[in-house]
Amino acid sequence: KNEVEQSPQNLTAQEGEFITINCSYSVGISALHWLQQHPGGGIVSLFMLSSGKKKHGRLIATINIQEKHSSLHITASHPRDSAVYICAVKRDAGGTSYGKLTFGQGTILTVHP
Amino acid sequence: GAVVSQHPSRVICKSGTSVKIECRSLDFQATTMFWYRQFPKQSLMLMATSNEGSKATYEQGVEKDKFLINHASLTLSTLTVTSAHPEDSSFYICSAKRDGSGELFFGEGSRLTVL
Repeated sequence: KNEVEQSPQNLTAQEGEFITINCSYSVGISALHWLQQHPGGGIVSLFMLSSGKKKHGRLIATINIQEKHSSLHITASHPRDSAVYICAVKRDAGGTSYGKLTFGQGTILTVHP
Repeated sequence: GAVVSQHPSRVICKSGTSVKIECRSLDFQATTMFWYRQFPKQSLMLMATSNEGSKATYEQGVEKDKFLINHASLTLSTLTVTSAHPEDSSFYICSAKRDGSGELFFGEGSRLTVL
């Protein structure tokens, strides 16, 4: 089982729909990143969370440390939101993996007009 | 906002040649940078952690003599794929950790094709 699991792997939506992408992890973390990878490959960091909730425009990210779960929400989705969304966790102190990022497998989002 | 520039974005080379990829933080200093590899339809895999002024730390299974990393300044890390082979064809991405805030910024990636 992967240490970082995302669901769904593929998501298709109609423009305007509310979208949720989930991320569950099984290791101790100090922070969680949500990343967006465009078709050309470039990556943009959307959020870095260690607790609670963050909002930026139509994007909202939440994290529940006790449940080891995070969600990325997109409100009023638009075709330009089509991309791969990746959850990545930064390992917490302890062990040789401290500070390293472990990535989920990504969620491919396609928003149709 | 902070930008990380990666160059070249695409490179095609013959088998046996060496290829250098640059990762540059344009408006911040980064003592630590990271190099990742991504195979088609797969997620990113950390290859190594690049530290300015010291040797890079490689992940298990990554050949340090094959993938040479140099981090000679606070704004530049380079990855050299030596004696490239077709199986080295991949998408290579760097990220830079901003000194002070610890924010992570990613480059646009470099697609390497070895013929």
